[in-house]
Amino acid sequence: DVKVTQSSRYLVKRTGEKVFLECVQDMDHENMFWYRQDPGLGLRLIYFSYDVKMKEKGDIPEGYSVSREKKERFSLILESASTNQTSMYLCASSPGQGVVGELFFGEGSRLTVL
Amino acid sequence: GESVGLHLPTLSVQEGDNSIINCAYSNSASDYFIWYKQESGKGPQFIIDIRSNMDKRQGQRVTVLLNKTVKHLSLQIAATQPGDSAVYFCADGNQGGKLIFGQGTELSVKP
Repeated sequence: DVKVTQSSRYLVKRTGEKVFLECVQDMDHENMFWYRQDPGLGLRLIYFSYDVKMKEKGDIPEGYSVSREKKERFSLILESASTNQTSMYLCASSPGQGVVGELFFGEGSRLTVL
Repeated sequence: GESVGLHLPTLSVQEGDNSIINCAYSNSASDYFIWYKQESGKGPQFIIDIRSNMDKRQGQRVTVLLNKTVKHLSLQIAATQPGDSAVYFCADGNQGGKLIFGQGTELSVKP
């Protein structure tokens, strides 16, 4: 089975802190994605990547950056966390570079910024 | 921008009844759609997908219907069970190579 692993299920951080959310997939997928999920807003795409060292902005990239140094790992970075970034963050991967298809999701990382 | 929307944020059905969850999309060029199920505390899981060259696709106890004329799709769950209680999302797969999700419908199954 495809496994997408997010390093932290729950995090509590303070305003202004730098936050790293790590995601690793074990199926050699080319595509990786970061979404945030908020009540009433569904899943919104933050950033995605179709290849190592490649990144594309999604619909809500402000306040976030990403890093993809290895094919299996896609990191989401909050340079200076703010309270409005309190949310559930979901990482996903899929095969087929640039091809839209089924996404395999991790279990999510719930971030609270105080 | 393009969007995907669900008609009802919540749906409550009796165990054993059929459930219908609806979704509307705005991009007439969209030709690929996916339904996901998200149980409490878990990430979304793939249920079924459909391409625009089909009007209907069936899986195990689930059927997806696509009406391209009115840009609407629905997920039908037969003989709904307590284990079907979850949030259901439709997603549009033609937004520049990425999936755009609707807001989700929370399905509650009453025993």
